[in-house]
Amino acid sequence: AQKVTQAQTEISVVEKEDVTLDCVYETRDTTYYLFWYKQPPSGELVFLIRRNSFDEQNEISGRYSWNFQKSTSSFNFTITASQVVDSAVYFCALSDLTTGTASKLTFGTGTRLQVTL
Amino acid sequence: DSGVTQTPKHLITATGQRVTLRCSPRSGDLSVYWYQQSLDQGLQFLIQYYNGEERAKGNILERFSAQQFPDLHSELNLSSLELGDSALYFCASSGTLNSGNTIYFGEGSWLTVV
Repeated sequence: AQKVTQAQTEISVVEKEDVTLDCVYETRDTTYYLFWYKQPPSGELVFLIRRNSFDEQNEISGRYSWNFQKSTSSFNFTITASQVVDSAVYFCALSDLTTGTASKLTFGTGTRLQVTL
Repeated sequence: DSGVTQTPKHLITATGQRVTLRCSPRSGDLSVYWYQQSLDQGLQFLIQYYNGEERAKGNILERFSAQQFPDLHSELNLSSLELGDSALYFCASSGTLNSGNTIYFGEGSWLTVV
């Protein structure tokens, strides 16, 4: 069975601090996708990134960066110079590819990030 | 804007009633997923349809049912509603040549059962 663990329930930082959100996953599949989603207070789930299991290259998008390490089954998310608008709940999710296309997502419990002035 | 449209955005109904949630996927997406988000259960996968056929089933109650129509929109029917069914219900879609295996979510339908 697939499992995603986000051990950090809540993180509070002051604006401009860097923050890393941890994600550890378990799967028996050899090919899979990992996702991060942001859920702001308004409730929608906003797609941030998708990474497939055979691409361990780290990715940077503006102030966001992701570190994927297959050896430790981790897919961590770092926000550099955090801003108040980054305050949200962030979810890590895992999807298998056994059918050849993305299938159901297994979500972690989420990390609530609070950024204050 | 993810391109996934859900209606209604908010719904309040009484126990024992039946409601239908509607979802229009991103243009061209063949897969539609339904998820439930509640405080105690987190984000739970309910069901997936691919081009009109049920592809995967999760923790969906027998009182709940879904279908995907020929135009690819989907409906989630919730019947004999209980207080515990109060939750945020998400629809998501994936599967175009452009978006491939990226799963995009709608804004959700807030269901309150009173």
